[in-house]
Amino acid sequence: DSGVTQTPKHLITATGQRVTLRCSPRSGDLSVYWYQQSLDQGLQFLIQYYNGEERAKGNILERFSAQQFPDLHSELNLSSLELGDSALYFCASSVFPGSSYNEQFFGPGTRLTVL
Amino acid sequence: AQTVTQSQPEMSVQEAETVTLSCTYDTSESDYYLFWYKQPPSRQMILVIRQEAYKQQNATENRFSVNFQKAAKSFSLKISDSQLGDAAMYFCAYRGMRFGAGTRLTVKP
Repeated sequence: DSGVTQTPKHLITATGQRVTLRCSPRSGDLSVYWYQQSLDQGLQFLIQYYNGEERAKGNILERFSAQQFPDLHSELNLSSLELGDSALYFCASSVFPGSSYNEQFFGPGTRLTVL
Repeated sequence: AQTVTQSQPEMSVQEAETVTLSCTYDTSESDYYLFWYKQPPSRQMILVIRQEAYKQQNATENRFSVNFQKAAKSFSLKISDSQLGDAAMYFCAYRGMRFGAGTRLTVKP
């Protein structure tokens, strides 16, 4: 158990809908990262937050947004969902925000299925 | 932008033997960390080993070791005495945010 929690574990929804994925980082970690992993693909970095502020942005679509709250939990919002958004969404957390050393601890992921 | 390349989509090894997974990366930075993560069928991402770029000594964690060639920007993972439980996807990562496409390792009994 990494100490990172993600809810829900599974989510099934329809095209055009909007969903919210939630992540709670390890105790003491200030930085949260979101990744998307499509079937049998590598991890695509979406976005990073540190202590409530956006720190780095990756391949995140405009239909997607995220935020980190004062209690450090984070939410990833996916809207106008398309079939291609079906994937495993990982949240990870780390102590250090952006130094060269940023070992991340991964949550179990949320599996999103868009029908 | 930093890129990470894993040129072996699939690898196979006999139980108890040794296998090496390759990874190359591109960066202009001099100080960074590299990571290997394992993703078993449960899909959980598990850190296997990390390497600090300013350290010349290759990292080792039990049966897992790396061959880090900074000038060549190469970071390969060696698994010795392979076990059935080593079967998984293995991802190389640069600074933990840039991941390679992964290598699927099969271990044959």
